[in-house]
Amino acid sequence: DAKTTQPNSMESNEEEPVHLPCNHSTISGTDYIHWYRQLPSQGPEYVIHGLTSNVNNRMASLAIAEDRKSSTLILHRATLRDAAVYYCILRDGVGSSYKLIFGSGTRLLVRP
Amino acid sequence: KAGVTQTPRYLIKTRGQQVTLSCSPISGHRSVSWYQQTPGQGLQFLFEYFSETQRNKGNFPGRFSGRQFSNSRSEMNVSTLELGDSALYLCASSLFPGQGSSYEQYFGPGTRLTVT
Repeated sequence: DAKTTQPNSMESNEEEPVHLPCNHSTISGTDYIHWYRQLPSQGPEYVIHGLTSNVNNRMASLAIAEDRKSSTLILHRATLRDAAVYYCILRDGVGSSYKLIFGSGTRLLVRP
Repeated sequence: KAGVTQTPRYLIKTRGQQVTLSCSPISGHRSVSWYQQTPGQGLQFLFEYFSETQRNKGNFPGRFSGRQFSNSRSEMNVSTLELGDSALYLCASSLFPGQGSSYEQYFGPGTRLTVT
């Protein structure tokens, strides 16, 4: 299973954009990049996913490098509710499995 | 629409006992996955079920088992409990695997198991 590398923690001010980086240098051509976040005392929550092209949804944007060896999750305006652990995960697209291999994630602290 | 529900939410067991945890997926979801979360190992994949069949299994000993029923509800069982099995056990449900699926998983709040 390909692995991801994320900073242990990051800090941001409320109302400012946040860029959460993820390195996945051993990504294969069939790996999808998924992001989940886990708020305190809750189960993980899906944020966004992509394969090659940049993706946007109501929660965030995902920017994928051209060589796919790294990606960045962008929260356009951080709120206090965005304080969570963010996980960058590679999901093997072959075989249609839901299996997710979580790393240690990035703990995001949002300052008011 | 109701979310993923897990019962019980908290459980205390003694070493050597066995435990059964239950997960009810979101209505219409047919795929259920289980994960174990501990401070030391983080979130680890246990199993994945679809249409009552185990499609994938993580690297856990045979003491960990699971099943899925025809109504998509799932249970996981841990036999001969060890202290290291103390963890938050999370269940996630999804629509179905395959073409057209976004593979978005919806997680429940988890069952906190403490083994003494």
